[in-house]
Amino acid sequence: QVQLQESGPGLVKPSQTLSLTCTISGGSITSGGYHWSWIRQPPGKGLEWIGYISFSGSTYYNPSLESRITISADTSKNQFSLKLSSVTAADTAVYYCARVSSSNWVFFDYWSQGTRVTVSS
Amino acid sequence: DIQMTQSPSSLSASVRDRVTITCRASQSISNYLNWYQQKPGRAPNLLIYAASSLQSGVPSRFSGSGSGTDFTLTISSLQPEDLATYYCQQSYRTPYTFGQGTKLEIK
Repeated sequence: QVQLQESGPGLVKPSQTLSLTCTISGGSITSGGYHWSWIRQPPGKGLEWIGYISFSGSTYYNPSLESRITISADTSKNQFSLKLSSVTAADTAVYYCARVSSSNWVFFDYWSQGTRVTVSS
Repeated sequence: DIQMTQSPSSLSASVRDRVTITCRASQSISNYLNWYQQKPGRAPNLLIYAASSLQSGVPSRFSGSGSGTDFTLTISSLQPEDLATYYCQQSYRTPYTFGQGTKLEIK
């Protein structure tokens, strides 16, 4: 059973960089057929896909955020991370990490519990 | 980006009712359509993938249909634990996009 757990600060100041890490247990970040993704949900709103890193290390970002995002992986720790720069209040959201199953069909099959990040001075 | 539009935005139904939620894509996405259930305060949970395939462990009262641009999620007999917001999501092309959600309330 795959489990995902985020870690990182819950409060970030405007213009600073939001940094979150997702630790994977019960599976390997280098397993073929899976990508590892970040998704966010502003308070009271819907879901927005941020981007993913593939099992081979390739990254794909949402163009709406691409200039501010970096997703990276640490295979030795079985973790992947999100950095979002120059944050504003609009980046306040619950952030989820999720596994993307991509063998034949593509879907988010395992999710973390979510971590709330507030952008405020 | 491919836009996903769900209807209705909210609905109220009684236990044992048959409930239908629709999702429309702004262009054809073949069968690359997934449905998620999000209970209050929880992460989304995959219900249906590839438009009509039931995810392991999901009750059989949930079903999905459609292809191209029009899709449907059906709950055959609504249960109290189905109180949640339901989202469709296309995986045909990045950026992956979600519908705005349908909030389901139990009368």
